[in-house]
Amino acid sequence: AQTVTQSQPEMSVQEAETVTLSCTYDTSESDYYLFWYKQPPSRQMILVIRQEAYKQQNATENRFSVNFQKAAKSFSLKISDSQLGDAAMYFCAYRRRNTDKLIFGTGTRLQVFP
Amino acid sequence: GAVVSQHPSWVICKSGTSVKIECRSLDFQATTMFWYRQFPKQSLMLMATSNEGSKATYEQGVEKDKFLINHASLTLSTLTVTSAHPEDSSFYICSALGYLLRTDTQYFGPGTRLTVL
Repeated sequence: AQTVTQSQPEMSVQEAETVTLSCTYDTSESDYYLFWYKQPPSRQMILVIRQEAYKQQNATENRFSVNFQKAAKSFSLKISDSQLGDAAMYFCAYRRRNTDKLIFGTGTRLQVFP
Repeated sequence: GAVVSQHPSWVICKSGTSVKIECRSLDFQATTMFWYRQFPKQSLMLMATSNEGSKATYEQGVEKDKFLINHASLTLSTLTVTSAHPEDSSFYICSALGYLLRTDTQYFGPGTRLTVL
């Protein structure tokens, strides 16, 4: 069975600095998708970034980028120039191709200090 | 684009009553929707997958007779918690599978907080 592990329950960063959130996963599949979702205090889940496993190039969305290491089954999220609005729970998620179900990690709470 | 709404945003009910939660995709059609449950400071737990025009698929351990799901149209899925009890109090989140920019992604609603007295 596929599992997603986020080993950092909490992280903190100073405004304008860079922070990296870790995520590892376990799967025997070769074709899948990986996601980072943000859940701010409003509890609304927001898609941050998505990565297709067949793509070697790391996905980037403005200040958010990932480091996808397929062999190591690692999918970390880097937030550059952190802003106060980045404070939230961040969930890493896995989805096998040809299925719709997401498997979530336990989440990392990010605090941003001014 | 890809907006999903939920109604109500919060509800308080008495033990033994039933509560219906609606999930709507506002600007896209969704043949597949999902219902999650989230306990405080925990991750999302998938309860069931809702497919338009067919029966929902429930995850192991989820009582289908207690959590009734109906996906009557391409933009609406409902979750009814029947004979609610205090242990059903939780945050319920729906998502809709959208195909935007030629990729399929789950878009989430804002959630419904259910409190059973």
